[in-house]
Amino acid sequence: QQPVQSPQAVILREGEDAVINCSSSKALYSVHWYRQKHGEAPVFLMILLKGGEQKGHDKISASFNEKKQQSSLYLTASQLSYSGTYFCGTEVYTGNQFYFGTGTSLTVIP
Amino acid sequence: KAGVTQTPRYLIKTRGQQVTLSCSPISGHRSVSWYQQTPGQGLQFLFEYFSETQRNKGNFPGRFSGRQFSNSRSEMNVSTLELGDSALYLCASKDRAKGEKLFFGSGTQLSVL
Repeated sequence: QQPVQSPQAVILREGEDAVINCSSSKALYSVHWYRQKHGEAPVFLMILLKGGEQKGHDKISASFNEKKQQSSLYLTASQLSYSGTYFCGTEVYTGNQFYFGTGTSLTVIP
Repeated sequence: KAGVTQTPRYLIKTRGQQVTLSCSPISGHRSVSWYQQTPGQGLQFLFEYFSETQRNKGNFPGRFSGRQFSNSRSEMNVSTLELGDSALYLCASKDRAKGEKLFFGSGTQLSVL
C-alpha cells in the first residue's frame, strides 16, 4: 500500500519549476506532503483531503485527484531552501495508519 | 512549546542485543507513531499509540514492540537485533483534535554491527 512517488530525484536551477507526483493503488482519504532536509526531521507542508481541493503555501502548492488516487506537489520559482527530500503520506481512511512514499530528492542549484 | 524529543540521538549495538528508544511528544499530543527510515525504502510505519493503546501496527516482526505511558511518552523496543535493523527511527506526535498533521522528532540513528 506504499504510494509510488515520481521522479525519484530532480535537480533544478534556482527559479525553475518542478512537479512531484504521488500515486496510490487504494482509494484515499487524505494525502500529506512533508519535506526533510539532510539530518533533520521531516516537516509538514500541507494536507489534502478527499474532495480534490488544491492547496497552496507560498510558492508550493498541491492538488489531489480522487479519481486517479494521485496527488501532485508543485514547486514554482524554486529557491535554494527548497532542497531536500519530499515525501507524500497517504491515509486510506481517517485514523488509519500512514503509508509514506519512498521520497523524491530535490536539489536546487544556483 | 517544545518539539518532539527523541533519545538517544545515536546508538551502536551488536547483533543479538536489544535496544529501547524513547520519544516525548509535544505537550498535549496524545498520539505517537513510530517510523523506520532507510535509504531507498522511505518511511515505513511501525505502530501508533493513542492514550496508551496501540491503534495501528505496521508490517514488522514481533521483535519490534512499543508502549505508551500515561504522560503520552512512548518507547520502542527492538529485541534480538539484526544487521538490517540499522536505520533512522523517527517518532511523530499529533493532536488528533486539530487534524492529522504530524510533528516529527529528529530521530534515533541505530547502527547494528
